[in-house]
Amino acid sequence: DTEVTQTPKHLVMGMTNKKSLKCEQHMGHRAMYWYKQKAKKPPELMFVYSYEKLSINESVPSRFSPECPNSSLLNLHLHALQPEDSALYLCASSEGGGLVYGYTFGSGTRLTVV
Amino acid sequence: AQSVSQHNHHVILSEAASLELGCNYSYGGTVNLFWYVQYPGQHLQLLLKYFSGDPLVKGIKGFEAEFIKSKFSFNLRKPSVQWSDTAEYFCAVTDSGYSTLTFGKGTMLLVSP
Repeated sequence: DTEVTQTPKHLVMGMTNKKSLKCEQHMGHRAMYWYKQKAKKPPELMFVYSYEKLSINESVPSRFSPECPNSSLLNLHLHALQPEDSALYLCASSEGGGLVYGYTFGSGTRLTVV
Repeated sequence: AQSVSQHNHHVILSEAASLELGCNYSYGGTVNLFWYVQYPGQHLQLLLKYFSGDPLVKGIKGFEAEFIKSKFSFNLRKPSVQWSDTAEYFCAVTDSGYSTLTFGKGTMLLVSP
């Protein structure tokens, strides 16, 4: 178990569906991240929230929409995804600021788009 | 922008063999360095990290890594691997003024019993 909780663990969705991935941490970390990891590849950064504000969007398509309702929660809203979006979506948090003390990763949501 | 290079994509070892996984980064400034492990079907776990001080860093599960600034390297070592060390290992770097990690492509380690 990690201190970053992601739900659901698995998700299968059609290309016309709307779904959301959720991430929660109670470590007081002020930076939260979404990463996408394809099989046998390293994680790729999607979004960074710092102090609940979106600070980095790595040119992610608009069918992915992040949301940070408060300092403990991070959502990723999904709409009109493509089969190539199937991947493991990882949430992470860190103490934030300029110096990073290491990220804590969640277990991920394994997403399959059919 | 920084980049990370891991020399080996796949490593196969027998139990009790010694391990060294290479990692080089390209960034001329102050960096923070990490090794993460991902066991099959599991999440990323932090093995060890370097920020400053002693360049020889000890992590969990008997792993250690040495930061050699002149070589831009941060190689991971373990004197004697176990079957349970079978996993994907990722080196990652961030510079001191930027709060996101850049990962290497990973090295898949297979330890045969």
